[in-house]
Amino acid sequence: DTGVSQDPRHKITKRGQNVTFRCDPISEHNRLYWYRQTLGQGPEFLTYFQNEAQLEKSRLLSNRFSAERPKGSFSTLEIQRTEQGDSAMYLCASRQGANTGELFFGEGSRLTVL
Amino acid sequence: GENVEQHPSTLSVQEGDSAVIKCTYSDSASNYFPWYKQELGKRPQLIIDIRSNVGEKKDQRIAVTLNKTAKHFSLHITETQPEDSAVYFCAARGGGSQGNLIFGKGTKLSVKP
Repeated sequence: DTGVSQDPRHKITKRGQNVTFRCDPISEHNRLYWYRQTLGQGPEFLTYFQNEAQLEKSRLLSNRFSAERPKGSFSTLEIQRTEQGDSAMYLCASRQGANTGELFFGEGSRLTVL
Repeated sequence: GENVEQHPSTLSVQEGDSAVIKCTYSDSASNYFPWYKQELGKRPQLIIDIRSNVGEKKDQRIAVTLNKTAKHFSLHITETQPEDSAVYFCAARGGGSQGNLIFGKGTKLSVKP
């Protein structure tokens, strides 16, 4: 499968625990995005990488959230001290350079915080 | 920053009828407007997109129109089929952004056979 892959697909955790999600973008895509989606809502932008550089981060994003893309390939999204309000689907997406518009999404990582 | 409003939130049509979903955006510098279809439990997938230098684009039963002056764009689906049932999201990419898409809240389309 040469699409965007995410792991794990589902994560159940207790409030206060840390969780980490991984995203492997399409190999030739240098731009990588993290979105969060809750039931009945559209994807909400969290952060964006161009290669290994994190170029944009939502102002709404809590400082409990951190993302990395150390070698410009896969990315991780960590949530520290999870809260019930963090329960959502975390979507990763990737695309090629500036002239290519389409954003390809992964299947998402569903987080449930008890 | 960019803000995207989408209407209606739910839409029910009979098979064979047309469906229209409308979106407005706030950033006049936005230059790219895609539409995504998301089936239950699946990833959003691009179905059609339009750039700001084009007023209309069509792909078989799907068309998108853009009115830059009014800052709104619409998705038109003709001859709807039950498999068109899904949630549809519009989005806009701001001219000054790094390619980040801002999404509307979605329209749940139900096509009744």
